[in-house]
Amino acid sequence: AQSVAQPEDQVNVAEGNPLTVKCTYSVSGNPYLFWYVQYPNRGLQFLLKYITGDNLVKGSYGFEAEFNKSQTSFHLKKPSALVSDSALYFCAVRVSYGNNRLAFGKGNQVVVIP
Amino acid sequence: DADVTQTPRNRITKTGKRIMLECSQTKGHDRMYWYRQDPGLGLRLIYYSFDVKDINKGEISDGYSVSRQAQAKFSLSLESAIPNQTALYFCATRMGRTNQPQHFGDGTRLSIL
Repeated sequence: AQSVAQPEDQVNVAEGNPLTVKCTYSVSGNPYLFWYVQYPNRGLQFLLKYITGDNLVKGSYGFEAEFNKSQTSFHLKKPSALVSDSALYFCAVRVSYGNNRLAFGKGNQVVVIP
Repeated sequence: DADVTQTPRNRITKTGKRIMLECSQTKGHDRMYWYRQDPGLGLRLIYYSFDVKDINKGEISDGYSVSRQAQAKFSLSLESAIPNQTALYFCATRMGRTNQPQHFGDGTRLSIL
């Protein structure tokens, strides 16, 4: 079955340090991968996606993600974290072509420490 | 982002009650989705719809029903609510036949006592 795994429950990082949120995937065929962010009392906001092309994908708010086929990973990164980046981050993979259903990971809470 | 609006935002009710959660969108998208979010489980798909006449079950549809009243409106009903349906519910929309992502509403927090 198509799925993603986010191995960490919480990521703590000091403000100004690099931020990495990990995601690994399991799919048959070519993966369509997504990252979303959820702020308190809000819905999920799209950050970026990988469909094809360059392995380094740039998205909103200075985030980027690196697609690594050999390691089946799609880690989210930001060179310098801000306190306002504290939120819940979800990785997702498209599980079927026709209806574009997504399977989400459990989410990672990111805490940026001032 | 008010393009996808969910009502109510919060609801507390009792076991056995019928509940309806509503979702409306101004994005002109044809596809609409209902998810529930539980801590540690991420989001799970309840139902989805490609248009007014096309409704499909997701991975956890038992105990839920939906109605697509118009392209812009997609309602989720709990016919007889039970405590383990306490969760955060999200509606999402998407334009079909594109690579565009799903867009989410701000959610309905539902508590069943």
